[in-house]
Amino acid sequence: SQTIHQWPATLVQPVGSPLSLECTVEGTSNPNLYWYRQAAGRGLQLLFYSVGIGQISSEVPQNLSASRPQDRQFILSSKKLLLSDSGFYLCAWSVEGRRNEKLFFGSGTQLSVL
Amino acid sequence: GDSVTQMEGPVTLSEEAFLTINCTYTATGYPSLFWYVQYPGEGLQLLLKATKADDKGSNKGFEATYRKETTSFHLEKGSVQVSDSAVYFCALLSGNTPLVFGKGTRLSVIA
Repeated sequence: SQTIHQWPATLVQPVGSPLSLECTVEGTSNPNLYWYRQAAGRGLQLLFYSVGIGQISSEVPQNLSASRPQDRQFILSSKKLLLSDSGFYLCAWSVEGRRNEKLFFGSGTQLSVL
Repeated sequence: GDSVTQMEGPVTLSEEAFLTINCTYTATGYPSLFWYVQYPGEGLQLLLKATKADDKGSNKGFEATYRKETTSFHLEKGSVQVSDSAVYFCALLSGNTPLVFGKGTRLSVIA
């Protein structure tokens, strides 16, 4: 069966520090991968998605970047965190294919930037 | 662009009360519509979906009907339980873009 792992579960970082959140998927090949952010009062916002290794689409301009170094690994990064980067970050995957509606989500990372 | 608007929360109900969470959408073409649920401390999971007009999605006692004439997909449940306390997200899929989510509605059910 397929599983998705996301870590860490919680993270407290000072402003200006770097960030690296990792997400891996098991039990499937060539999944579509996604990073969402859930910020207070702003709902669930798509940050990045990837349909293959090295293929990253960015939905909003921001202080963050994403990389997909391996088929089932998706990394969210920042060189210098801002206060506004605080939020709940969710990784998700879906079956290969462009029009797939069922997303499987990880358990999320609560990031607090102080 | 495509968007989803859902009612602001939080919603607080007593056990066995009737639930309605409103959702309306804006999209080109004929989107598929979804409700996702996020239980405390967990990621989101698909609750139900409808892929064409007049379809009714249902799961765990929840229902939602795809209304093209009113561009709506309201979530309903006849009798809520404490275990239904969660955040509910309406979402749509149109064209080749990834899912677009609403802002979420937090539901608290008290015994």
